[in-house]
Amino acid sequence: SQTIHQWPATLVQPVGSPLSLECTVEGTSNPNLYWYRQAAGRGLQLLFYSVGIGQISSEVPQNLSASRPQDRQFILSSKKLLLSDSGFYLCAWAKGGATTEAFFGQGTRLTVV
Amino acid sequence: GDSVTQMEGPVTLSEEAFLTINCTYTATGYPSLFWYVQYPGEGLQLLLKATKADDKGSNKGFEATYRKETTSFHLEKGSVQVSDSAVYFCALSAPMNYGGSQGNLIFGKGTKLSVKP
Repeated sequence: SQTIHQWPATLVQPVGSPLSLECTVEGTSNPNLYWYRQAAGRGLQLLFYSVGIGQISSEVPQNLSASRPQDRQFILSSKKLLLSDSGFYLCAWAKGGATTEAFFGQGTRLTVV
Repeated sequence: GDSVTQMEGPVTLSEEAFLTINCTYTATGYPSLFWYVQYPGEGLQLLLKATKADDKGSNKGFEATYRKETTSFHLEKGSVQVSDSAVYFCALSAPMNYGGSQGNLIFGKGTKLSVKP
């Protein structure tokens, strides 16, 4: 069966520090991968999605970047965090090329102080 | 572009009350439609889905019918429980061959449901 791992679960970082959140998927190959952010009291904002290794689409210009160094690994990064980067970050995967449901990780609560 | 609009919350109900959360969509072609549920501090879980017009998705007492004529996918439950308290998201998945970005999932803003005993 397929599983998705996202870590860390919580993170407190000072303004200006770097960020690296990692997401890995098991039990499937060539998945579509997604990073979403959920700010307090708001819905999901799609940040990045990837349909293959090295292929990243950015939905919103921002202080963040994403990389997919391996088929089932998706990394969200920042060189210098801003206060506005605080939020709940969710990684998800879906089967590529078909309209199927997405499967979500447990999320990372990031607080920038 | 494709979009999903769902009723704003929060919605507060008493246990055993009837629930409706409205969801409408705009899409080119024939998307698949989903309802996800998010319990506090967790990621989203698929609640139910429908992949073509007139399909009814159901799970855990929740139901939603894909209505192409009204472009709607309203979530209903006949008798809610305290354990149903969560945020509910309506979503669509746009098919590639209708110009949808491959694998692009579009979510509504979420509706928070609180059920009181």
